[in-house]
Amino acid sequence: GENVEQHPSTLSVQEGDSAVIKCTYSDSASNYFPWYKQELGKRPQLIIDIRSNVGEKKDQRIAVTLNKTAKHFSLHITETQPEDSAVYFCAATPNNNDMRFGAGTRLTVKP
Amino acid sequence: DVKVTQSSRYLVKRTGEKVFLECVQDMDHENMFWYRQDPGLGLRLIYFSYDVKMKEKGDIPEGYSVSREKKERFSLILESASTNQTSMYLCASSQGSGSFYEQYFGPGTRLTVT
Repeated sequence: GENVEQHPSTLSVQEGDSAVIKCTYSDSASNYFPWYKQELGKRPQLIIDIRSNVGEKKDQRIAVTLNKTAKHFSLHITETQPEDSAVYFCAATPNNNDMRFGAGTRLTVKP
Repeated sequence: DVKVTQSSRYLVKRTGEKVFLECVQDMDHENMFWYRQDPGLGLRLIYFSYDVKMKEKGDIPEGYSVSREKKERFSLILESASTNQTSMYLCASSQGSGSFYEQYFGPGTRLTVT
């Protein structure tokens, strides 16, 4: 089955710096790669996603890149703010109906 | 707004008890999912369902079963609760028959088995 690995498990940055979280997946059939953000005590929510026919997608301060050949994708957050502090999960979809998540990255943005 | 609700936020049960976790969504979504969330392990898929009365095993189905008698409701059953099932349980739903759809999560149920 699909196996998603996510690094790093924790990340601490100064406010205003950039943060990068990386994920790899194993199943070459995966074709949809969402990123979810979970703030403390809250439910995960989708922040950005990318499909396999696209190499990069950007939404304001966040961007995601995908390298299908290498089977890895990354989340980039620029100009980080304290409210970006949360756990971030990457995911990959090996078939039509289900999704496999990475173990999560706890991002702390220090003011 | 999509709303996914779960029957309890916190639950304490004893070893050996039968436990029911209920999830309801109000957006007529075809797909529903149950995950457990443990520190350092992320969200692990227990079971999912893409239609009423249909179910598929995820990565960690042992010790769990599910029921989907109505489209809006997906239940997770722990037949005989054990301490290693102490965890946060998250339900999610998504529309459509494909995977290119956002999953909407419920608030979670923190289950403690003593």
